Amino acid sequence: QKEVEQNSGPLSVPEGAIASLNCTYSDRGSQSFFWYRQYSGKSPELIMFIYSNGDKEDGRFTAQLNKASQYVSLLIRDSQPSDSATYLCASWVIKAAGNKLTFGGGTRVLVKP
Amino acid sequence: SAVISQKPSRDICQRGTSLTIQCQVDSQVTMMFWYRQQPGQSLTLIATANQGSEATYESGFVIDKFPISRPNLTFSTLTVSNMSPEDSSIYLCSVRLQTLPGYTFGSGTRLTVV
Repeated sequence: QKEVEQNSGPLSVPEGAIASLNCTYSDRGSQSFFWYRQYSGKSPELIMFIYSNGDKEDGRFTAQLNKASQYVSLLIRDSQPSDSATYLCASWVIKAAGNKLTFGGGTRVLVKP
Repeated sequence: SAVISQKPSRDICQRGTSLTIQCQVDSQVTMMFWYRQQPGQSLTLIATANQGSEATYESGFVIDKFPISRPNLTFSTLTVSNMSPEDSSIYLCSVRLQTLPGYTFGSGTRLTVV
């Protein structure tokens, strides 16, 4: 079982709609969760982070965390063509051997005008 | 805000040779991380570079293949040794900044081995 799992997509959404991305993780010791956006040929860019159960909103983005279900999600409201990218979910774990940020495989999102 | 510069941005190398990638941060950081992103794949952690100690390698990565230096708190290098076409990837350095959550990434090095 992969430590962090995402649906690879592509997730196709019409412009103006809500894009819903899901992520599950296996390590219950995971403390924080991050969503990165990666455009083709570019390095990942942090867009959201969450470490408490519930919802966290920032502009058009909402991150949701359910530690009991080991589930993280990202909602993108009013999707724009510029949101077309790969979204990477990552979990942060503090271990004796060292802190580690583990990435899922990424979900490719296509926003169609 | 801190800037991470990584170089070279890209290179095409002959198999059997080595390439050293540099990562410079404009503020002091405790840990620097090196990731590999193979074509169409996500990021895989290669190793964590701590100043003043040996790098910590993840399963599947060894020091002989990916030697790392960390001479001070703002700089690190990753060498990809004895390269084969399977090493063709994007290599990214990353740091945990005090002023920002999560990791911040350098612009990456796109390596093609022929």
